[in-house]
Amino acid sequence: KQEVTQIPAALSVPEGENLVLNCSFTDSAIYNLQWFRQDPGKGLTSLLLIQSSQREQTSGRLNASLDKSSGRSTLYIAASQPGDSATYLCAVGDNYGQNFVFGPGTRLSVLP
Amino acid sequence: SAVISQKPSRDICQRGTSLTIQCQVDSQVTMMFWYRQQPGQSLTLIATANQGSEATYESGFVIDKFPISRPNLTFSTLTVSNMSPEDSSIYLCSARTGLNYEQYFGPGTRLTVT
Repeated sequence: KQEVTQIPAALSVPEGENLVLNCSFTDSAIYNLQWFRQDPGKGLTSLLLIQSSQREQTSGRLNASLDKSSGRSTLYIAASQPGDSATYLCAVGDNYGQNFVFGPGTRLSVLP
Repeated sequence: SAVISQKPSRDICQRGTSLTIQCQVDSQVTMMFWYRQQPGQSLTLIATANQGSEATYESGFVIDKFPISRPNLTFSTLTVSNMSPEDSSIYLCSARTGLNYEQYFGPGTRLTVT
């Protein structure tokens, strides 16, 4: 059974810092991996989707990498801003793309 | 991509009553799902809403408590039946579309049961 963990659980950084969020999964036979952002009391916003054959995806200040063999993904946020404050979740799609397993999330606070 | 709307956005309900949540997608999608997010927790999949047939429920969730309908490829409803305070959660509708199976979420329905 796939299990997804995220480290750290919470992170507080000053504005302008570059930061890395980590996601680990136990079964490397994945279809894809998706990073989401969730603001308090809101739904999820898709940030980046990485297919199992890809190593990384980039969108603006965000870069997500995937290392299937080690069961890890990282989300890199460059030049963080207070507007980046949110909970970041990673979700791993199984080998058929039918089911997603979510990690517990990393709560990020970027201080002005 | 897919844009998903949900109604209601929030509700306060009394114990023992039922609430139906509607989910509308702006395009036809192959897969629709319902998730629950309890306070301070991550997402838990309730069921996959199947078009034209009974939903597929995850362990711990049953049709009598969470009946789901999906009459077409763009619309689904989730009913939370005979509610108790433990059902207080955010309920999220999601859809997967495209060859990449990218997943999209609605804004959620915040349910409080008193």
